[in-house]
Amino acid sequence: DSGVTQTPKHLITATGQRVTLRCSPRSGDLSVYWYQQSLDQGLQFLIQYYNGEERAKGNILERFSAQQFPDLHSELNLSSLELGDSALYFCASSQGARGDTQYFGPGTRLTVL
Amino acid sequence: AQKVTQAQTEISVVEKEDVTLDCVYETRDTTYYLFWYKQPPSGELVFLIRRNSFDEQNEISGRYSWNFQKSTSSFNFTITASQVVDSAVYFCALSEADTNAGKSTFGDGTTLTVKP
Repeated sequence: DSGVTQTPKHLITATGQRVTLRCSPRSGDLSVYWYQQSLDQGLQFLIQYYNGEERAKGNILERFSAQQFPDLHSELNLSSLELGDSALYFCASSQGARGDTQYFGPGTRLTVL
Repeated sequence: AQKVTQAQTEISVVEKEDVTLDCVYETRDTTYYLFWYKQPPSGELVFLIRRNSFDEQNEISGRYSWNFQKSTSSFNFTITASQVVDSAVYFCALSEADTNAGKSTFGDGTTLTVKP
């Protein structure tokens, strides 16, 4: 158990819908990262927040957005969902903002029908 | 741009064999960090090791060992006397300290199957 929690574990929804994925980092960690893992694209970095502020951005679609709240938990919002958004979404956390070990949550499996 | 290449897509070995997973990286930063993660069939990503660019000392942890060579931009992972429980996808990852600080790049992973 990494200490990072993610909810829900599974999510099934329809195209065009909007969903919110939630992540709670390990105690004491200030950074939260979001990744998408799909079969054809491997593990892709989406975005990083450090202590409430956006720090780094990957190839995150405009339909996706994230935020980190004052209690350091983070949410990833996915809207206008498409079939291709079906994937495993991981959250990770680390103490610092750069180069620290990232500990991953169990992931949220999103299925878009 | 940072890049990680794991050329071996799949490796299959018989239990007790030694196996080496290759990782080659590209970066222009002088300060960077390299990682290995394991993803067993259950799906979670498990941290194995972190190395910074200034520490080329090889590391051994039980049956696991890592060989970091800056001259060849490689960070290879060896499992000695493999076991069935080692069957998993293994990812190598790179984080730059400056240019793309905060952004981690993962290789495509190597699927290791250890047969009894």
